[in-house]
Amino acid sequence: KNQVEQSPQSLIILEGKNCTLQCNYTVSPFSNLRWYKQDTGRGPVSLTIMTFSENTKSNGRYTATLDADTKQSSLHITASQLSDSASYICVVASGGSYIPTFGRGTSLIVHP
Amino acid sequence: NAGVTQTPKFQVLKTGQSMTLQCAQDMNHEYMSWYRQDPGMGLRLIHYSVGAGITDQGEVPNGYNVSRSTTEDFPLRLLSAAPSQTSVYFCASRDDSTDTQYFGPGTRLTVL
Repeated sequence: KNQVEQSPQSLIILEGKNCTLQCNYTVSPFSNLRWYKQDTGRGPVSLTIMTFSENTKSNGRYTATLDADTKQSSLHITASQLSDSASYICVVASGGSYIPTFGRGTSLIVHP
Repeated sequence: NAGVTQTPKFQVLKTGQSMTLQCAQDMNHEYMSWYRQDPGMGLRLIHYSVGAGITDQGEVPNGYNVSRSTTEDFPLRLLSAAPSQTSVYFCASRDDSTDTQYFGPGTRLTVL
């Protein structure tokens, strides 16, 4: 069964600090991995997408990494801002399937 | 572009009532989908459509019907609402060129 596990479940950091969120997956065959940001009361918004051959991809202060061998991804947030407070969701797509596998998300709270 | 729109934003139903959640997109995307999001759980796929006239079941289709008569619209029907269907529902459409899903703002449904 395809699964996506995210850690930690929740995280509280001070504004200006860095943090890293983890995503482990057992999805086969692998097609791509995407990180979404979901603000409270809103729909998820895509941050990055990574395919099998990509190791690192950045989007402003967000940097995603992918290790296809160990089936792990991380999302690193640099110099956090209050607006980074949200849920971050890891989603893995499987080749040949229309049904992606969603992680449960990491809830990030940035305090001033 | 309005993107993906959903109506209503909030709805309260009594057990046994039926209703339709509306979803529309103006990006000419072929793939559309419905998800539900419950506390502590990841987004779960209810139904999806790969084009007008074509629909298929996701992970949790029981109690829901969909149709896709046009590219733009993808309504979700609850046949006989149950308290277990209390959830936040998201509609999404996908840009096949970038494999990016765009989510609507969600409908918060409570079934009493």
